[in-house]
Amino acid sequence: KAGVTQTPRYLIKTRGQQVTLSCSPISGHRSVSWYQQTPGQGLQFLFEYFSETQRNKGNFPGRFSGRQFSNSRSEMNVSTLELGDSALYLCASSQSGGAEKLFFGSGTQLSVL
Amino acid sequence: GENVEQHPSTLSVQEGDSAVIKCTYSDSASNYFPWYKQELGKRPQLIIDIRSNVGEKKDQRIAVTLNKTAKHFSLHITETQPEDSAVYFCAASMDYGQNFVFGPGTRLSVLP
Repeated sequence: KAGVTQTPRYLIKTRGQQVTLSCSPISGHRSVSWYQQTPGQGLQFLFEYFSETQRNKGNFPGRFSGRQFSNSRSEMNVSTLELGDSALYLCASSQSGGAEKLFFGSGTQLSVL
Repeated sequence: GENVEQHPSTLSVQEGDSAVIKCTYSDSASNYFPWYKQELGKRPQLIIDIRSNVGEKKDQRIAVTLNKTAKHFSLHITETQPEDSAVYFCAASMDYGQNFVFGPGTRLSVLP
């Protein structure tokens, strides 16, 4: 089985722009969650989608949004980018969500200038 | 909400020695505690996990212990090897949904 795929691998944006990140889960996995990773804050939970519905949301501003499609692929959008949004964004998939193993993608490294 | 603390933030051991990383959590409703290893430039990968109905779990050189009363759990790595060098994250979660709360990570260096 192919692993979790994230595109693009790197992104450079300027303040005020918006960005869309994509995540394709492992085939058969229905849950996709997103995390922000920064050197100082570790892994911070953004949100989780299951069957096209957002089930959980972390403590991030409304500029961060996401969606999931019928094939379980997910996108994350960040509007009005700020310098502090520079981070590695990781998505993870699992079969049914809940207390089970997460399979992480390689991440998208976002730099906001 | 849940809060997970992790100590130490950095740990250096000699090859062959043991390493112990400790985490505490705040929400007694959490019942699943995984550990992820992230090598430099790579994605986090699950190395071991434990559920609240179990006190200890072992997998070769790696073990995890859980103390529900004190709300803490620990990762133990014996006979450390250079390839164990990585950042280790603990996490806590409840059954429903995926809202994993991760600790800030421990950078383990195994010195030859």
